[in-house]
Amino acid sequence: GEQVEQRPPHLSVREGDSAFITCTYTDPNSYYFFWYKQEPGASLQLLMKVFSSTEINEGQGFTVLLNKKDKRLSLNLTAAHPGDSAAYFCAVSAGNYAQGLTFGLGTRVSVFP
Amino acid sequence: ETAVFQTPNYHVTQVGNEVSFNCKQTLGHDTMYWYKQDSKKLLKIMFSYNNKQLIVNETVPRRFSPQSSDKAHLNLRIKSVEPEDSAVYLCASSRTGGAREQYFGPGTRLTVL
Repeated sequence: GEQVEQRPPHLSVREGDSAFITCTYTDPNSYYFFWYKQEPGASLQLLMKVFSSTEINEGQGFTVLLNKKDKRLSLNLTAAHPGDSAAYFCAVSAGNYAQGLTFGLGTRVSVFP
Repeated sequence: ETAVFQTPNYHVTQVGNEVSFNCKQTLGHDTMYWYKQDSKKLLKIMFSYNNKQLIVNETVPRRFSPQSSDKAHLNLRIKSVEPEDSAVYLCASSRTGGAREQYFGPGTRLTVL
């Protein structure tokens, strides 16, 4: 089945700097890709979904890049601020909803002043 | 308010007891899921369900069973809890079509003594 590797497991960045997280996946049939944010003690908040072959999506304070050729998904937190301190998870779906999402192990991001 | 709701927030019990967790979604979705998030924050799909099909992750022990009264509700029952069942249980829902992004509830934290 699908395997998702997420790196790095921990990231400490200064306020105003960028934080870059990468996921690689194995199933070439994977079709939908997601980034979730989980603040301490809270549930998962959907940040972004992508599904085109090569796509750059910009959200509020972050950019998501998908490269299906390399089977790589990345999240770049631009100009990080303390509110970005959380765990970030990538998730991959093969298109069959019944299989659920396959998650990466998460990246714990700490933003310090 | 449209969201995914879970009760209880926390539950502490002893080995061998039966527990049941509730999940309700008001998003009008037709598919619901249960995930387990362990102490290392690893998220794994346990069940996916719509009114036509239940998909069970083959690694889920038989003491776990989902229970649904309609497409807006999917409860989780654990017949005889074990210490390794201590985790956060997250309920999610999605549409069956489209990108099928999943929206998560706040989770139920189970502690087995």
